[in-house]
Amino acid sequence: DAKTTQPPSMDCAEGRAANLPCNHSTISGNEYVYWYRQIHSQGPQYIIHGLKNNETNEMASLIITEDRKSSTLILPHATLRDTAVYYCIVRVEGYSGAGSYQLTFGKGTKLSVIP
Amino acid sequence: DGGITQSPKYLFRKEGQNVTLSCEQNLNHDAMYWYRQDPGQGLRLIYYSQIVNDFQKGDIAEGYSVSREKKESFPLTVTSAQKNPTAFYLCASSIREFGELFFGEGSRLTVL
Repeated sequence: DAKTTQPPSMDCAEGRAANLPCNHSTISGNEYVYWYRQIHSQGPQYIIHGLKNNETNEMASLIITEDRKSSTLILPHATLRDTAVYYCIVRVEGYSGAGSYQLTFGKGTKLSVIP
Repeated sequence: DGGITQSPKYLFRKEGQNVTLSCEQNLNHDAMYWYRQDPGQGLRLIYYSQIVNDFQKGDIAEGYSVSREKKESFPLTVTSAQKNPTAFYLCASSIREFGELFFGEGSRLTVL
């Protein structure tokens, strides 16, 4: 799987939009971008994923650049409960040979929502 | 409710002892994973299994062993050969064709 680069930490005021960037310049054409978050000492939680079109669900929006080399996760109205470490990973969908399920998480971005 | 159950949540072990962490899922997922997390670090893949009776080493498999005799279960044994076993261990599963991972709540192992 392609590697990703994220800033180690970010702050966001409560009620404002949180925009978390991710660079994945070596992403291949069949790799999806996934976002997870982890609240302290809990298991990570899936947020959203996409291939090339922008995606939105009840939690967040995902904006993927046209060249697919970077993406931004948007939390439209951040709350204190959104304070967590956010992970961006890229992976292929489905089985594409041995090792295709090996998912690599980096260190993520620690988002602190400030009252 | 469907989900992944890890046990125990906290575990203490003396040096030189093997310990087995349990992971059970009732989501009917084909793929299961074990990750290790150290303070301030991301998740590192230990082992994963795409189907029953088959599993592959991840990035840090040395000192660990797994089995996948049933679809629902993927236990991880931390052996005495693991030099730094104190960590937070996370189990996850996914439907074979889709990438969304479902994680358990984790098991925190402390070696005394």
